[in-house]
Amino acid sequence: QKEVEQDPGPLSVPEGAIVSLNCTYSNSAFQYFMWYRQYSRKGPELLMYTYSSGNKEDGRFTAQVDKSSKYISLFIRDSQPSDSATYLCAMRRTGGFKTIFGAGTRLFVKA
Amino acid sequence: DVKVTQSSRYLVKRTGEKVFLECVQDMDHENMFWYRQDPGLGLRLIYFSYDVKMKEKGDIPEGYSVSREKKERFSLILESASTNQTSMYLCASSGITGTTNEKLFFGSGTQLSVL
Repeated sequence: QKEVEQDPGPLSVPEGAIVSLNCTYSNSAFQYFMWYRQYSRKGPELLMYTYSSGNKEDGRFTAQVDKSSKYISLFIRDSQPSDSATYLCAMRRTGGFKTIFGAGTRLFVKA
Repeated sequence: DVKVTQSSRYLVKRTGEKVFLECVQDMDHENMFWYRQDPGLGLRLIYFSYDVKMKEKGDIPEGYSVSREKKERFSLILESASTNQTSMYLCASSGITGTTNEKLFFGSGTQLSVL
C-alpha cells in the first residue's frame, strides 16, 4: 500500500464549477500537508501549505485536513480554464526531510 | 521569490553515457533534493542533501550519484545512462526543517531521454 493515495483522474469539469480533489494517507506521523499545481512540462509550484488539522483559504482555493480520517482535500471555487493542470498532494512528518507525494490528479476545466 | 534553476530543459543521451544534471538555487536554502517523475508513479526521491558535502539516499538511488560542493548547487550524476532512466528530473530546495522556511520549491525540470 502506498503511503499517499490520490486518484489520477482525469477530472473534467465546466468552467465555474466547484472542484474537489482528495488524498488519503496511512502514516499518522504526517503533520505538514501541501498541494502543488503542475502545468504541462513545468515543475510543481506550491499552492497551499497547512500544518496539522483544519482549513486554510487562499482566494478561490481551500485546503482541508482531517487527521482523524487521514484525509486531505483541496477545493477550487469558480474554476477557470487556467486551473487546468495536475494537482499533487504532498505531506511530511515533523523533523523529517522527505516529502511524500501523491501521484497527482489531472484536472481539465472546459470553457 | 525562490528561484531554482535547472541547467537544461531537454536532454537526449545515449545508453552508457555519463550524464550531469545541474541545479542552482538562489535563496540560501540548506536542503536540496532530486526527484524523478514518471506517469502513474508520481514524484520519487532519488537523493537529498541537507548541507554542503552531505548527501542522503532517497527511495530510488540506484544508478545515480550526487555532488554538493557549494551550498547553492546540487548535481545529479548518471554514471552510465540506461533507457529506464528516461524521465522528468526535478530539483527542489527548502530552508531549515522545522522553520517557516521549510517549504519545498521546484525547478522547471529536465526531460531526459536515453536512447
